[in-house]
Amino acid sequence: DVKVTQSSRYLVKRTGEKVFLECVQDMDHENMFWYRQDPGLGLRLIYFSYDVKMKEKGDIPEGYSVSREKKERFSLILESASTNQTSMYLCASSSTSGLGGLGYNEQFFGPGTRLTVL
Amino acid sequence: KQEVTQIPAALSVPEGENLVLNCSFTDSAIYNLQWFRQDPGKGLTSLLLIQSSQREQTSGRLNASLDKSSGRSTLYIAASQPGDSATYLCAPDWAGGTSYGKLTFGQGTILTVHP
Repeated sequence: DVKVTQSSRYLVKRTGEKVFLECVQDMDHENMFWYRQDPGLGLRLIYFSYDVKMKEKGDIPEGYSVSREKKERFSLILESASTNQTSMYLCASSSTSGLGGLGYNEQFFGPGTRLTVL
Repeated sequence: KQEVTQIPAALSVPEGENLVLNCSFTDSAIYNLQWFRQDPGKGLTSLLLIQSSQREQTSGRLNASLDKSSGRSTLYIAASQPGDSATYLCAPDWAGGTSYGKLTFGQGTILTVHP
């Protein structure tokens, strides 16, 4: 069965702290993604990775960085947490298929981490 | 840039009704389109994936159609049940530029099915 897990369901941090959110998938997927979801703004892509040590910025990368040292694990880092980073964070993974690595199979999501920054 | 619109924003129906959720997207150059459901406070659950070369996909009481040229997808739910109550999201995988499965999400349709 497909499984994407996230390290915490709920997290409370203080302004200025460095925050690590971890995501692990057991499907040997090449691609992994970090989104945040906010009321009225929907899901927005922060960063994604298409291979180990490879990453690309999404639509809202400011204030975030990522790390992918192993294929199954993708970490989101808030370098100095701020109150406007209070949000639901969702991790996802997918497999690449098609010619030249374009296209993909189904994208699977983790349960989400509700982060509150005080 | 791809933009996705879902109509209606909210829908409340009695149990047993057949219903239709609509999704439109501005750029028809997509690889595929995925429908998800999301329960309150939870992650997304994949329902159906339609490849750009397909017209529809079915899973149980769900049927999703895709008209790529007109930028539309429709999710049909047959014989709705209270357990179907959730937010439904559509997400095309836009082929603009290099793509590694980056989805663009609509705002969703909040569905309530009452007994």
